[in-house]
Amino acid sequence: DTAVSQTPKYLVTQMGNDKSIKCEQNLGHDTMYWYKQDSKKFLKIMFSYNNKELIINETVPNRFSPKSPDKAHLNLHINSLELGDSAVYFCASSPRGTTVGNTIYFGEGSWLTVV
Amino acid sequence: GENVEQHPSTLSVQEGDSAVIKCTYSDSASNYFPWYKQELGKRPQLIIDIRSNVGEKKDQRIAVTLNKTAKHFSLHITETQPEDSAVYFCAARDTGFQKLVFGTGTRLLVSP
Repeated sequence: DTAVSQTPKYLVTQMGNDKSIKCEQNLGHDTMYWYKQDSKKFLKIMFSYNNKELIINETVPNRFSPKSPDKAHLNLHINSLELGDSAVYFCASSPRGTTVGNTIYFGEGSWLTVV
Repeated sequence: GENVEQHPSTLSVQEGDSAVIKCTYSDSASNYFPWYKQELGKRPQLIIDIRSNVGEKKDQRIAVTLNKTAKHFSLHITETQPEDSAVYFCAARDTGFQKLVFGTGTRLLVSP
């Protein structure tokens, strides 16, 4: 009964490959996010979707493409992986964007290592 | 857009001491300030939050204070315990872009 679940948890892949990370939330939230946490632990938002609609798209290479088939799912596809893409990717959700008091709930993270 | 600075980057205390982590923000319209705790290898989890119409909020050993005039807010942990060791993140709501902007994190180490 995990609230925000993402798969895979660990992913080791070679440069140039294409990979996807899947995320699902069962909290009934309207808004979902992808965050990237680098080796220095900085947490940076990448994308945000509200009811399947893209509302935030930070300065992220277009090799990264999110897809939200419905409001409970937000997947992240990465093309032509580079060494610098190695990081922990967190999926998250919140009830209605970040209006006051709306807590963001994070998934367990996906550890991506590009070799 | 919002910019959040967090200090210190690392903090070592003895068990039983107090710990204080400070954050400043740039957007005077920001109205929501959560704090997250991230244990090693785990996800960030909300531990306390404060809204801009409140100056202080407490929950057992943790408290958060907000100074809207100075645009800074702080996390206070009293009677620290080894299980408080983690990375703590402050965040502020960017009202223009409807997102949370996180500080750079503080690694707290509580020694027994």
